[in-house]
Amino acid sequence: QVQLVQSAAEVKKPGASVKVSCRASGYTFTNDAIAWVRQVPGQGLEWVGWISAGNGNSVSAQRLQGRLTMTTDTFRSTAYMVLTNLRSDDTAVYYCARWVVSATYFDFWGQGTLVTVSS
Amino acid sequence: QSVLTQPPSVSGAPGQRVTISCTGGSSNIGTGYDVHWYQQLPGAAPKLLIHGNTNRPAGVPDRFSGSKSGASASLAITGLLAEDEADYYCQSYDSGLSAWVFGGGTKVTVL
Repeated sequence: QVQLVQSAAEVKKPGASVKVSCRASGYTFTNDAIAWVRQVPGQGLEWVGWISAGNGNSVSAQRLQGRLTMTTDTFRSTAYMVLTNLRSDDTAVYYCARWVVSATYFDFWGQGTLVTVSS
Repeated sequence: QSVLTQPPSVSGAPGQRVTISCTGGSSNIGTGYDVHWYQQLPGAAPKLLIHGNTNRPAGVPDRFSGSKSGASASLAITGLLAEDEADYYCQSYDSGLSAWVFGGGTKVTVL
């Protein structure tokens, strides 16, 4: 069965960077893409970006462009998200999700990684 | 302010039917992009509930159904159960923003 397992929670200071990983199993990693979605505690979902695990193409949400980098390691079937120059309003749970490229929805989700930005 | 508008909350007694609306505009639902729905139980990750406006993934009970008309979509839950207490989000694509967009979420309370 498809599973996405994310890295543990992180606490960072403002201005620092954070790297979140998402290890996929149960399907051919390079056939699909990984999307990132974040959720500020108590609030709604916000799409952050996506990366194709097949060719590495990626797109970031406009408000995060310049601070967000997404990569994949096809050998480890793992996707990574790095967010730099962290601000307090980046505090959120970050989810990875599988995006089947032929569709426009996210069918399997990771368990989430809480990133706390605090001085 | 979310691009897709949902009511903040709906409630119903066990066994009743509730509906959740999702209103978009001409750059997303109204231009033909599909609407998808996710269920988020307390403390859990979102789970795909409905895709392509009306389709249920394997394992989703047929008590959940989706529809779409014009620039709006709806999720209906019939035979409401206590386990349906959760937040529900609609999602589509917005061509003006070149981004996937979510509704603000609707909390379903079973009375």
